[in-house]
Amino acid sequence: GENVEQHPSTLSVQEGDSAVIKCTYSDSASNYFPWYKQELGKRPQLIIDIRSNVGEKKDQRIAVTLNKTAKHFSLHITETQPEDSAVYFCAASKDSGAGSYQLTFGKGTKLSVIP
Amino acid sequence: GAVVSQHPSRVICKSGTSVKIECRSLDFQATTMFWYRQFPKKSLMLMATSNEGSKATYEQGVEKDKFLINHASLTLSTLTVTSAHPEDSSFYICSATGTGGYGYTFGSGTRLTVV
Repeated sequence: GENVEQHPSTLSVQEGDSAVIKCTYSDSASNYFPWYKQELGKRPQLIIDIRSNVGEKKDQRIAVTLNKTAKHFSLHITETQPEDSAVYFCAASKDSGAGSYQLTFGKGTKLSVIP
Repeated sequence: GAVVSQHPSRVICKSGTSVKIECRSLDFQATTMFWYRQFPKKSLMLMATSNEGSKATYEQGVEKDKFLINHASLTLSTLTVTSAHPEDSSFYICSATGTGGYGYTFGSGTRLTVV
């Protein structure tokens, strides 16, 4: 099955700096890669996702890059703010196309933005 | 957007009793629902996948007789933790996907404490 590795497990940055979280996956058939932000005790919230036919996607301060050949994808957060502090999870799946797919999650990265 | 309602949000039960957790898709038909368990500061671990009208598929190491999953309709799935023990204390989260382009939506989670 799919195996997703995520690094680093913890990350501290100064407010205004950039943060980068990296993930690798094992199944070359995976074609959907979402990123989730989870605050303590709350549900994971989808913040951005990318499909395998795209190499990069950006949404304001958040961007994701995908290298299918190397089987890795990364989350980039620019101009970090204290409210970005949370645990971030990457995930990978094979999108069946019918809307039903099983995600494999990375172990998470605890991001702390220091004011 | 797609909404998944999960309740209860918190439950405390005595050891040996059973607890039922409900997960409802409010505005779409959830053809597939997933149940996750999350330990403190850990990633989401998939417990089982259920498709409407059929038996759930459990992940290796998950006791199907202990964690009973029912997905009797396209809008409701339930997880029953039977004969709960303190080691079952955890954060349980459901998620659902459906056809028609609806993505992967998480419930708000249930904090189970077995005393």
